[in-house]
Amino acid sequence: DGGITQSPKYLFRKEGQNVTLSCEQNLNHDAMYWYRQDPGQGLRLIYYSQIVNDFQKGDIAEGYSVSREKKESFPLTVTSAQKNPTAFYLCASSTKFTGGAGGELFFGEGSRLTVL
Amino acid sequence: GNSVTQMEGPVTLSEEAFLTINCTYTATGYPSLFWYVQYPGEGLQLLLKATKADDKGSNKGFEATYRKETTSFHLEKGSVQVSDSAVYFCALNTFSGNTPLVFGKGTRLSVIA
Repeated sequence: DGGITQSPKYLFRKEGQNVTLSCEQNLNHDAMYWYRQDPGQGLRLIYYSQIVNDFQKGDIAEGYSVSREKKESFPLTVTSAQKNPTAFYLCASSTKFTGGAGGELFFGEGSRLTVL
Repeated sequence: GNSVTQMEGPVTLSEEAFLTINCTYTATGYPSLFWYVQYPGEGLQLLLKATKADDKGSNKGFEATYRKETTSFHLEKGSVQVSDSAVYFCALNTFSGNTPLVFGKGTRLSVIA
């Protein structure tokens, strides 16, 4: 089945450690996104990529880094510079940056990061 | 700029009650409008969408009509079930600019038996 796979589903980290969240899609979508979700705050855009080897900062990029070396993969690294990394992270994709013909984004099931 | 405003939750209803979750938007041009649903511990799923004025999107008993004159896209369901308990997000896409979908903050719905 086509879809977006995020891993791990749950991750625990000690302060000062970098962690990388995986996002893989087999939908042949050009655009991919990372969102952060905190209780009561909705979704906030961290980074997005319109095409392979290109990515742009979203609204809350500080303390995060990404790469887009392959069309199907868009990993997110939460660095030790991120002051409050405990959150639910969602990866999404779309046929084109502005959502393509349908306009919608397709989401993975999320990764919950907890800093101990 | 483009924005979406949803009614604040949480909303608590008894099973078989009527549901309305209000959503209004501000946008340039003619956006497409969406409702997404997020069940506990999961990602977002597209629930329904409408791409032009007066369109009605529907799915799983939920409906929403694109009202350009009131810039609204309210979500309704005639009889909710416990399994509808989730967070609902309204969103828009103007297919332009340098941002993807613009989301509202979400409305948590709890349905009790």
